[in-house]
Amino acid sequence: LAKTTQPISMDSYEGQEVNITCSHNNIATNDYITWYQQFPSQGPRFIIQGYKTKVTNEVASLFIPADRKSSTLSLPRVSLSDTAVYYCLVGDGNDYKLSFGAGTTVTVRA
Amino acid sequence: EPEVTQTPSHQVTQMGQEVILRCVPISNHLYFYWYRQILGQKVEFLVSFYNNEISEKSEIFDDQFSVERPDGSNFTLKIRSTKLEDSAMYFCASRDRGLAGGRDEQFFGPGTRLTVL
Repeated sequence: LAKTTQPISMDSYEGQEVNITCSHNNIATNDYITWYQQFPSQGPRFIIQGYKTKVTNEVASLFIPADRKSSTLSLPRVSLSDTAVYYCLVGDGNDYKLSFGAGTTVTVRA
Repeated sequence: EPEVTQTPSHQVTQMGQEVILRCVPISNHLYFYWYRQILGQKVEFLVSFYNNEISEKSEIFDDQFSVERPDGSNFTLKIRSTKLEDSAMYFCASRDRGLAGGRDEQFFGPGTRLTVL
């Protein structure tokens, strides 16, 4: 499994865009990049997954440069309810397990 | 929208007692998982289960732990003799199937908070 590195914490204000960058220098050719979100006392929740370039859904966008050694999760116009821990995971989809790191704690303030 | 459910939401037990944590995965899913999260720490993989057998387990999943899918809907985690350090949030998750190169979304339940006294 490729090792990932992401900031421990980020602070933001309501209405701002939050960008969380994850480094995965050893990403393999078959690996996908997946982001999960976890609210306090809840299970992780899938946000978005991508392989290259840009992926967008109703919740977030994921930007992946051509070398795929990093990726950026973008949360547009955050609200207080977006306060959570965000995890970047890298794997080929055939792994039986998800390996979570410490994640990035995003705190949104009014 | 289908979801993973877990019972109980909170379990308090005495050290040395057996506990069974229950999960109902999403009905058409084929892969099942248990994770745990000690308060303030990261989510840790315990075990995965596919085709009625364990696919992979972590070092945490020692002989005190076992999993079972007793019928077509339930997936259970048993801890035979609980220790203080077993106190944690236990999450069950399920996945549709392992599509190579495809979306690998695991759906997590709300968790069971286990407190060992």
